[in-house]
Amino acid sequence: GQQLNQSPQSMFIQEGEDVSMNCTSSSIFNTWLWYKQDPGEGPVLLIALYKAGELTSNGRLTAQFGITRKDSFLNISASIPSDVGIYFCAGQNGSSASKIIFGSGTRLSIRP
Amino acid sequence: DGGITQSPKYLFRKEGQNVTLSCEQNLNHDAMYWYRQDPGQGLRLIYYSQIVNDFQKGDIAEGYSVSREKKESFPLTVTSAQKNPTAFYLCASRRGGLDTEAFFGQGTRLTVV
Repeated sequence: GQQLNQSPQSMFIQEGEDVSMNCTSSSIFNTWLWYKQDPGEGPVLLIALYKAGELTSNGRLTAQFGITRKDSFLNISASIPSDVGIYFCAGQNGSSASKIIFGSGTRLSIRP
Repeated sequence: DGGITQSPKYLFRKEGQNVTLSCEQNLNHDAMYWYRQDPGQGLRLIYYSQIVNDFQKGDIAEGYSVSREKKESFPLTVTSAQKNPTAFYLCASRRGGLDTEAFFGQGTRLTVV
């Protein structure tokens, strides 16, 4: 089936640093979604992107829908301890409109 | 409050038994989904349903069954045929159509003992 390649798999940062992660696909998507998951909880939607080239912000988070429709990135500025968790990208395309494909996740940790 | 409710939060099952996980939503969403998550892994699609009385297999449907008799409810049965059922199960729903996002429940952690 379709796959999303999400990187990096994990990252350790200092509080206050900026963070960047991305997702790529071999096929085109109509929608890109970014979620954050805390341990033992369901993922929570952070940002939704619907148009190629779209750049959307949500507080310290910024995400972009790649112009080729095959990639997306998420940036977090000035990280804080509550940013720790697993971030997932997800994509959806028109050939199977209701099927949402998830990346393998980026685990974000903050160095003490 | 509107949302998606999964129950129970934790579930223990003996080997060889079927077990049903509940997922209810009061968001009036058309589409509902079940995903499986293993430790340190991403989300893998088990089954999804676009409308009542219709559902489709996802990537790992073997050993699972679902029903969609009501718009609000999409229960997942983990059957004895599922060889490795211990996992975190997540239910999601979305309004339907192309430009809509999915919202998740809190998950059910199933452990086979």
